[in-house]
Amino acid sequence: EAGVAQSPRYKIIEKRQSVAFWCNPISGHATLYWYQQILGQGPKLLIQFQNNGVVDDSQLPKDRFSAERLKGVDSTLKIQPAKLEDSAVYLCATARLGFYNEQFFGPGTRLTVL
Amino acid sequence: KNQVEQSPQSLIILEGKNCTLQCNYTVSPFSNLRWYKQDTGRGPVSLTIMTFSENTKSNGRYTATLDADTKQSSLHITASQLSDSASYICVVINNNDMRFGAGTRLTVKP
Repeated sequence: EAGVAQSPRYKIIEKRQSVAFWCNPISGHATLYWYQQILGQGPKLLIQFQNNGVVDDSQLPKDRFSAERLKGVDSTLKIQPAKLEDSAVYLCATARLGFYNEQFFGPGTRLTVL
Repeated sequence: KNQVEQSPQSLIILEGKNCTLQCNYTVSPFSNLRWYKQDTGRGPVSLTIMTFSENTKSNGRYTATLDADTKQSSLHITASQLSDSASYICVVINNNDMRFGAGTRLTVKP
């Protein structure tokens, strides 16, 4: 079974630029999560999708972050404009419907904002 | 204040030695507690999961314990190997809400 795929693996941008991350879930996983993991900290949930609907985006800084999962499969997370404090690893995790405690994580995208 | 506190923040041990990582939480109620291993540059991978009624769960050289009364969990690693070098993250789950600890960074030296 293929795992959660993310791209790019690394991205370096300057502040105020825009960036987008992509996530392809495990086949059949209806639930998809985006997490932000700052160095030395645990992952922090940004947004949760169930199929193509948003379940929880209460922690998403909506003035600069946006995410979509239009067809209920792949998802993109965008930051526009980026700030220095956005430097982190962005993790995508997916789970089968109802199995929220069995999340499978992708390798993450490491973002550096200069 | 984080509801899941892990200690120590970092730990260095020699190959072959045992170690124990701690997780204290205030999340209540909770349904599950999970330990993840996160290698550098990779996403977290689940090691063990326990329900609130379980006291211990093993996965090879990894043994997790849970005391729901004191709200403490530990992860014991036996006969450490170089490949155990990673961050170990404690996650307390309540329904659809997952609370992550900051992790313990373990380094195993030859």
